[in-house]
Amino acid sequence: QKEVEQNSGPLSVPEGAIASLNCTYSDRGSQSFFWYRQYSGKSPELIMFIYSNGDKEDGRFTAQLNKASQYVSLLIRDSQPSDSATYLCAPLTGGGNKLTFGTGTQLKVEL
Amino acid sequence: GAGVSQSPRYKVAKRGQDVALRCDPISGHVSLFWYQQALGQGPEFLTYFQNEAQLDKSGLPSDRFFAERPEGSVSTLKIQRTQQEDSAVYLCASSLDGGQPQHFGDGTRLSIL
Repeated sequence: QKEVEQNSGPLSVPEGAIASLNCTYSDRGSQSFFWYRQYSGKSPELIMFIYSNGDKEDGRFTAQLNKASQYVSLLIRDSQPSDSATYLCAPLTGGGNKLTFGTGTQLKVEL
Repeated sequence: GAGVSQSPRYKVAKRGQDVALRCDPISGHVSLFWYQQALGQGPEFLTYFQNEAQLDKSGLPSDRFFAERPEGSVSTLKIQRTQQEDSAVYLCASSLDGGQPQHFGDGTRLSIL
């Protein structure tokens, strides 16, 4: 079992729709969770982080965390073509210092 | 202020050569991290510094990889006797402290011929 699992996609959604990206993790000790966006040929860009169970909203983005189920998700409302990228889920592991990344989900927002 | 700065952006080396990759973190960031990203994969942890102390080097793939941060600011990742499998993007990230959000530099794309 991989430490962090994401559906590689591509996930295709029409412009204006809600994109839902999911992630499961194996380290029950993880307390902090991060979502990064990575455009092709670019470096990861932090877009959301969440520490507590429940939802956290920031603009069009909502992160959801369920530690009991070891599940974290990212919702993108009113998806735009500029949201087309790979989204990387990364819990802090190893005692809370290093990020362990999934392989990422490729999102395509179609006109 | 400025973000994380990495140099060079691209590096081509022949197999067997030594290379050195530089990272200048965000000013005031105590923690510095190196990651390696292969094509189509997520970044993989290499090593972690808090100030000048290297607290975790569990991700370094072999003893050919060496990292330092002597004054607690700029860090250098050195790879000796490079091999083709070392070809990847090397990402540096920094954060205010160990558990805080990490911000990445643009990376160094290393190609070993």
